[in-house]
Amino acid sequence: EPEVTQTPSHQVTQMGQEVILRCVPISNHLYFYWYRQILGQKVEFLVSFYNNEISEKSEIFDDQFSVERPDGSNFTLKIRSTKLEDSAMYFCASRKGTSGTLVTDTQYFGPGTRLTVL
Amino acid sequence: DQQVKQNSPSLSVQEGRISILNCDYTNSMFDYFLWYKKYPAEGPTFLISISSIKDKNEDGRFTVFLNKSAKHLSLHIVPSQPGDSAVYFCAASGVGGSQGNLIFGKGTKLSVKP
Repeated sequence: EPEVTQTPSHQVTQMGQEVILRCVPISNHLYFYWYRQILGQKVEFLVSFYNNEISEKSEIFDDQFSVERPDGSNFTLKIRSTKLEDSAMYFCASRKGTSGTLVTDTQYFGPGTRLTVL
Repeated sequence: DQQVKQNSPSLSVQEGRISILNCDYTNSMFDYFLWYKKYPAEGPTFLISISSIKDKNEDGRFTVFLNKSAKHLSLHIVPSQPGDSAVYFCAASGVGGSQGNLIFGKGTKLSVKP
């Protein structure tokens, strides 16, 4: 069964360093997402991506964050200058996309990357 | 601003009995609801969903009920099994033409005791 994969599973970095989290969405999916979950808190939406551009982003997704689909398979999240409060699990998700304006298909999540900022 | 609320942080159920997990939402524009199950150190795993045009959806041991007038949905697991022990998240989408961005509740930790 196709699945979303993410690398690395755990990333440790120093405050102020840049990190790139990688995701390979399910191959025939068209919509891509990043979410994060700070320890003990709920899963929060960061950004959605469709047709090679950001379609929506949350207030968390500030200028320190960027996303890219550098080739036909990878989808990356970059944090330019990490802060302590960026420590969290970061989940990538994808969905196939349905016709019409209603969203009625499922988002599938990857296993996550645990980012620890020291 | 909690648009999706799961007011019970935990639930303990005996094996073989019914588990009922509840979720309330505040935004009447949501039109698609999902339940995810999550084990520690793993990503959320999709369980079941329901569109706002329905009031019930069933898949094996899992049934989701939607009460739009009350802005309430529930997940029933019958019969509950020890392997169902996990954190269950309710999620909603569909506000204002969004591209399916999910708004999650805080989760309910289900423990099914043998």
